[in-house]
Amino acid sequence: AQKITQTQPGMFVQEKEAVTLDCTYDTSDQSYGLFWYKQPSSGEMIFLIYQGSYDEQNATEGRYSLNFQKARKSANLVISASQLGDSAMYFCAMREPLMDSSYKLIFGSGTRLLVRP
Amino acid sequence: EAGVAQSPRYKIIEKRQSVAFWCNPISGHATLYWYQQILGQGPKLLIQFQNNGVVDDSQLPKDRFSAERLKGVDSTLKIQPAKLEDSAVYLCASSFPGLAGSEGSYEQYFGPGTRLTVT
Repeated sequence: AQKITQTQPGMFVQEKEAVTLDCTYDTSDQSYGLFWYKQPSSGEMIFLIYQGSYDEQNATEGRYSLNFQKARKSANLVISASQLGDSAMYFCAMREPLMDSSYKLIFGSGTRLLVRP
Repeated sequence: EAGVAQSPRYKIIEKRQSVAFWCNPISGHATLYWYQQILGQGPKLLIQFQNNGVVDDSQLPKDRFSAERLKGVDSTLKIQPAKLEDSAVYLCASSFPGLAGSEGSYEQYFGPGTRLTVT
């Protein structure tokens, strides 16, 4: 079964600096997908970025980029130029196949990021 | 485009009482998910629907939890009777149907959640 591990319960970063949130995964599938979601204090999960296992380039979305190292099974999220509004919980997730070829998401335990002014 | 709607946003009940949550997914999204998120943890999938059929309910405590998605649109999740350990945020999400081996993201869009407190 797939597993997602986020080893950083909490992180601090100074405003305008970059920060890396760690995520490692375990899967025996050849094709898989990795996601990062942000959860502010309001509670809603917000999709940030996606990386497919066959994508040769690291995914980028604005200030978010995904440092994908397939051999090491890691998919770290990099946030550049941190803003106060980036303070939130961040979850790494992976697709797990279901019997009917659809998928469900398996989430890690999350990292709480606090941006200091 | 309207997002995923959920109600109520907050609910406080006593143990052994019943409670129901409602979810309206994004228009056109055939796949609907219910997650339970206990404080300090990541979301855990309870049940997944494709249209009005159940795709996965392996982690749904079926002795007390039930869910339905009539007509393949709105969905309700019910707990009867509630226990103290059911205190959590219940998140509903929807997406276009995606295949596990596809290259598309088919990301899930989440509602604001319902915070349930069982006393």
